[in-house]
Amino acid sequence: DAGVIQSPRHEVTEMGQEVTLRCKPISGHDYLFWYRQTMMRGLELLIYFNNNVPIDDSGMPEDRFSAKMPNASFSTLKIQPSEPRDSAVYFCASSLRRSSYEQYFGPGTRLTVT
Amino acid sequence: AQSVSQHNHHVILSEAASLELGCNYSYGGTVNLFWYVQYPGQHLQLLLKYFSGDPLVKGIKGFEAEFIKSKFSFNLRKPSVQWSDTAEYFCAVQTGANNLFFGTGTRLTVIP
Repeated sequence: DAGVIQSPRHEVTEMGQEVTLRCKPISGHDYLFWYRQTMMRGLELLIYFNNNVPIDDSGMPEDRFSAKMPNASFSTLKIQPSEPRDSAVYFCASSLRRSSYEQYFGPGTRLTVT
Repeated sequence: AQSVSQHNHHVILSEAASLELGCNYSYGGTVNLFWYVQYPGQHLQLLLKYFSGDPLVKGIKGFEAEFIKSKFSFNLRKPSVQWSDTAEYFCAVQTGANNLFFGTGTRLTVIP
C-alpha cells in the first residue's frame, strides 16, 4: 500500500486566497483525521471522520476552515480566506478500527500564507 | 480535559548515551499510549504502542517504553542512542473517544 497520500506537499499563497488541501487515506481504513502542527501549539486534531461522516470538528479553529469527505478514498481541508496565522504543516492520518485505532500519517502539507 | 506533558523540550546527547524521555498524561479512564517519531522533514512514524498487557513495550530501532499506571506515565527509553536517532519524539494518548492527544514533542539531537 502506498500509505496516506497528501497533496500538495508545499503550498504558498497570499492572504485572502482560498486553500484546499487533499488527502487519500489508506485503502480500507474507516477513520480519517486532520491535524495541524505549529511550533507554538504542537500537533492539534482539527477534525476526524468515521465512514466519511464528520464525528468531531471541535478542533477546527474557526468558520474559515471546512473539511469534507465525499467518499472513502478522498478528503479535503479548505481554508477560505486564508490568513498568515494559518501557516503550519497539516497532516492527514487514517486508521482501521479493527487494528485498535493505530493511526498512519501522511507526509503533510506545509502551508505558508504571506 | 485530557492533556499530555512531555517534560523535555530539547535533549542533546552524545552517541552511545542512554536516553529517557518523559511523558505524563491526565486522564482517568482507559487509554492507549503511543510514541511517534518525526525525522527531519518527514512525517510521523509509529515507534511503539501500548494497549494492554505487559507494561514494558518494545518498539522499532531498539526503543522501549514503560507504562506506569499509578504515575500516569509512559516514558520512552533507549540504552544507546545513535546519530540517526536525531528527530522529534511525540507521546500520544488515545482515549475511548478515539481522539489522539499529542504532547508538544521533545527534540532529540545526537552528537556524533
